[in-house]
Amino acid sequence: EAEVAQSPRYKITEKSQAVAFWCDPISGHATLYWYRQILGQGPELLVQFQDESVVDDSQLPKDRFSAERLKGVDSTLKIQPAELGDSAMYLCASSLRTRAGEQYFGPGTRLTVT
Amino acid sequence: KQEVTQIPAALSVPEGENLVLNCSFTDSAIYNLQWFRQDPGKGLTSLLLIQSSQREQTSGRLNASLDKSSGRSTLYIAASQPGDSATYLCAVRPLEEYGNKLVFGAGTILRVKS
Repeated sequence: EAEVAQSPRYKITEKSQAVAFWCDPISGHATLYWYRQILGQGPELLVQFQDESVVDDSQLPKDRFSAERLKGVDSTLKIQPAELGDSAMYLCASSLRTRAGEQYFGPGTRLTVT
Repeated sequence: KQEVTQIPAALSVPEGENLVLNCSFTDSAIYNLQWFRQDPGKGLTSLLLIQSSQREQTSGRLNASLDKSSGRSTLYIAASQPGDSATYLCAVRPLEEYGNKLVFGAGTILRVKS
């Protein structure tokens, strides 16, 4: 069964350092999402791509976060510099192009900023 | 702005009991609603997807209902088992001109005691 792949699974970094996460969506899924989940809360969307274009990045802290999906397949989310409040689970999801389609989530990357 | 609330925040039941998890949302203008399961430190597993035109969906021991006009959904778990212990998240897909994000509740932590 096809799955969304993410790496690394765990990342520990010091405050002010740069960190990057990678996501490979299910083959054929044109839409890719990055969500952030703070402990004890539900996930919140950071950025959504349709192919290689950003559809929604209204909740992305653009002063320190960036995201790209250059060839419309895999994606990278970067934080520079990392802050203590960035400690969270970063989840990637993908879906078919249809707007009512089901979203499939990857295993997530657990980030701890010290 | 769409808001999703899940009640109760935590639930502990003996094995074999039938149980109901509740989800409410503030804006009835949605494409669909999804129920997810999340094990500690893991990603999200989709359980059931209900389109806005549907009233319920069933999968094995799980049954989810949707009353869009009143902004409510319930997840019914029959004959609960210790393996059902996890956090259950409800998410709605709002009707928007652009984007396809899910808006999540904070989840219900379920513990099934053997």
